[in-house]
Amino acid sequence: DGGITQSPKYLFRKEGQNVTLSCEQNLNHDAMYWYRQDPGQGLRLIYYSQIVNDFQKGDIAEGYSVSREKKESFPLTVTSAQKNPTAFYLCASRGPGPGELFFGEGSRLTVL
Amino acid sequence: AQKVTQAQTEISVVEKEDVTLDCVYETRDTTYYLFWYKQPPSGELVFLIRRNSFDEQNEISGRYSWNFQKSTSSFNFTITASQVVDSAVYFCALTWMDSSYKLIFGSGTRLLVRP
Repeated sequence: DGGITQSPKYLFRKEGQNVTLSCEQNLNHDAMYWYRQDPGQGLRLIYYSQIVNDFQKGDIAEGYSVSREKKESFPLTVTSAQKNPTAFYLCASRGPGPGELFFGEGSRLTVL
Repeated sequence: AQKVTQAQTEISVVEKEDVTLDCVYETRDTTYYLFWYKQPPSGELVFLIRRNSFDEQNEISGRYSWNFQKSTSSFNFTITASQVVDSAVYFCALTWMDSSYKLIFGSGTRLLVRP
């Protein structure tokens, strides 16, 4: 089945540790996005990539890093510099239509 | 500034009632797109509809209908004869030309449909 696969679904981290969230897609989409969702809030854009080996910061990029070495993969690293990393993280890829995003099931990160 | 406002934080209805979710947007662009997404308890967002700024025709898809009014900058979503399976968080979103099609989301409306 085609889609977006995010892993892990749940992740616990101690303060001061970096963690990497995986996002893989088999939809052959060029553009991919990472969003953060906090309770009662909408989604906020962390990073996006329109093509392999290129990515841009979104609205809340501080404390995060990404790479885009393959079309299928867009991993997100939450670094120790992120002051409030506990959140729900959603990865998406963009289909042919303007702005039409296909989302994964998300990764819930909890910092202990 | 580009902004999406969903003033209704949470709505609770009894099954079979009709319910309207409000969405108000702000944009300085003349070419833009509006969206509704559904987020069920499983977490992933599911695309429901996209409208472009040049098409104000209302749309109906089964029990769902959307009312796009540029004069009031609104893009409201109505569910007719609601069902328990409609319980979810619904997000309105906006993107525009020259934005790399980044989506700006509203804060979402949680809909609870009670049996």
